[in-house]
Amino acid sequence: DTGVSQNPRHKITKRGQNVTFRCDPISEHNRLYWYRQTLGQGPEFLTYFQNEAQLEKSRLLSDRFSAERPKGSFSTLEIQRTEQGDSAMYLCASRPSGRDSYNEQFFGPGTRLTVL
Amino acid sequence: QKEVEQDPGPLSVPEGAIVSLNCTYSNSAFQYFMWYRQYSRKGPELLMYTYSSGNKEDGRFTAQVDKSSKYISLFIRDSQPSDSATYLCAMSAKSSGSARQLTFGSGTQLTVLP
Repeated sequence: DTGVSQNPRHKITKRGQNVTFRCDPISEHNRLYWYRQTLGQGPEFLTYFQNEAQLEKSRLLSDRFSAERPKGSFSTLEIQRTEQGDSAMYLCASRPSGRDSYNEQFFGPGTRLTVL
Repeated sequence: QKEVEQDPGPLSVPEGAIVSLNCTYSNSAFQYFMWYRQYSRKGPELLMYTYSSGNKEDGRFTAQVDKSSKYISLFIRDSQPSDSATYLCAMSAKSSGSARQLTFGSGTQLTVLP
C-alpha cells in the first residue's frame, strides 16, 4: 500500500498523560499536514511541513502540542498533559511539490484519540 | 460565520437518484476546490479536484465551481448504496506561503437507499 499511513489507529489515554502519533506520508511527497477532526465537523488545520521544516502552525496548536519531521520523512505529533478536549481524530495528509496549480492532499486513515 | 458553509443534511435518496451537494464560501482568495468522501471512522478520500473555475467530470461525479457566486457543487449521477458516506468540501488559497492548508465544510451525510 503506497498511501499515507498512521499509527496507532486508536489511542485511549487518561487525562494528563502524554501521547505520540506517527504519520508516514506517500514516499515522494515532501509536504505534510496535520489536521484535527471532531465529531460532526470537517478537519481543521494544525500544522504544515515542507521537507523537515515546520513552516506553519495554526492557533489551534497550543504549546502542549509539538510536531516534528526529522529528515523530511515520517512525522510525529505529540500531545503533552492531555485534556478531555483533545479527544478527536488526528489526520495526516501529504502532497507532492509541483506545478502551481497543484494542491491535491491525500489523507491517511487517522488516529482516533480518546482522553478519559 | 464560518469561511465555508455546507448543507448539513442528512440527505437520503433512493438508489439511482441524482444527488446534489453544495458549499458556499466567503474568502475570495480560494482557488483550489476539492471534494472528499469520508466513510465512518475513516480518513477522507479525495474524489474531485478543481483549480480555479469551471466544471470537471469523472465517471458518475461532476464538480462545478462558480467563483462569481462563491458556490461549489458536486453532482452524483446514478447514485449507489456504496455512495453512502459523508461528503466534505474543501478549499484553499493560493497564498504567498506554500502551505495552502485546506479549509473544510462541516460535511453532508448522504444515505442512498437500495
